[in-house]
Amino acid sequence: GAVVSQHPSRVICKSGTSVKIECRSLDFQATTMFWYRQFPKQSLMLMATSNEGSKATYEQGVEKDKFLINHASLTLSTLTVTSAHPEDSSFYICSAGRGQVVYNEQFFGPGTRLTVL
Amino acid sequence: KNQVEQSPQSLIILEGKNCTLQCNYTVSPFSNLRWYKQDTGRGPVSLTIMTFSENTKSNGRYTATLDADTKQSSLHITASQLSDSASYICVVSRNKAAGNKLTFGGGTRVLVKP
Repeated sequence: GAVVSQHPSRVICKSGTSVKIECRSLDFQATTMFWYRQFPKQSLMLMATSNEGSKATYEQGVEKDKFLINHASLTLSTLTVTSAHPEDSSFYICSAGRGQVVYNEQFFGPGTRLTVL
Repeated sequence: KNQVEQSPQSLIILEGKNCTLQCNYTVSPFSNLRWYKQDTGRGPVSLTIMTFSENTKSNGRYTATLDADTKQSSLHITASQLSDSASYICVVSRNKAAGNKLTFGGGTRVLVKP
């Protein structure tokens, strides 16, 4: 159990276009989903936290108007990179949180490789 | 400042040998510590999770230890296999009052050679 999927796994787009990445929790309901960005040979950096039915909370330095997050249901969150530029090229990973008695578990998706030309 | 530091940054080991990865943290308030394995181009996969009261936990050939007093953890890989080649990430979670936020270490890149 606790499977998280992402779609697409890889996307190449032209500079100036928008790209939408989906994150789904397949077998559990995720009240909270997280979006991370990972550059080569670096660790994951949290971009934003999204709670179902409410606005996302963005980390310092992350432009909320550029990275639009929608968490419309308990199993789906989307990240839209608007007006993408080459510097947005990165590996984007989502995780879905499932609250537990002892601690909040996060399950990671397989990631989406975004390349902006 | 909440930080997680891992060492070494990378290591090469021969198939069948053991290795130990280190993690030191200053994250507070502490909730739990996790070790993840991340294959290249994939998302992290959980290996172990330990709370304050747990000082060792195993998952197959992976054994993690936690010393909450010294704020140190280790991940021991026994009888390494080629498939163990990956990045291993130490992650410390703050408690619910702090939003359950995760702090990631920089990872240790392990390469297992035949």
